[in-house]
Amino acid sequence: QVQLVESGGGVVQPGRSLRLSCAASGFTFNRYGMHWVRQAPGKGLEWVAVIWYEGSNKDYAESVKGRFSISRDNSKNTLYLEMNSLRAEDTAVYYCARDFSQRMDVWGQGTTVIVSS
Amino acid sequence: QSVLTQPPSLSGAPGQRVTISCTGSSSNIGAGYDVHWYQQLPGTVPKLLIYGDTNRPSGVPDRFSGSKSGTSASLAITGLQAEDEADYYCQSYDSSLTGRYVFGTGTKVTVL
Repeated sequence: QVQLVESGGGVVQPGRSLRLSCAASGFTFNRYGMHWVRQAPGKGLEWVAVIWYEGSNKDYAESVKGRFSISRDNSKNTLYLEMNSLRAEDTAVYYCARDFSQRMDVWGQGTTVIVSS
Repeated sequence: QSVLTQPPSLSGAPGQRVTISCTGSSSNIGAGYDVHWYQQLPGTVPKLLIYGDTNRPSGVPDRFSGSKSGTSASLAITGLQAEDEADYYCQSYDSSLTGRYVFGTGTKVTVL
């Protein structure tokens, strides 16, 4: 079945880096754009970044622009989020989601990132 | 902060109808971009509930319906059931430079 599985979350100190991964299965990964969406504790959903199916076009939320980088390896059916200069406000559950006509139709279970000293 | 505004909370008795509004602007909903709705049950992952303003994915009960007019959209739940108690988010695309994909502020629906 269609599935997205995130990994790579953890506890990290402010200013450090972390890389999240999202393994896709059950669909043709290289035909879909992919998103990262996050949810801070007790808060709403916040879109983070998107990457087009071929990987050449990317876009970011202002809150992470210049610090986060989205990428993908279509040969490995895997999406990545490289997070640098992490701040306390980046603490959240990070979800990867599949794009279908500008909606997110499949979501992973999420991975938790805690930025704390 | 989100550019799509929703009421923080709504409540209704079982069987009643509740409507959640999602107010945007001329750079998102008013520009004609589709509105999608997600349901997040307590402790779970968001799930696509309505797409393209009015369409339900397979498996979503017809108690849920969506509409759009001008710079706003709405999600209606008719015949409210206990299992509908959840957070609901609208989402659209925005043509401004501050970030293309936007979520609403979210609405907590409580079944009395």
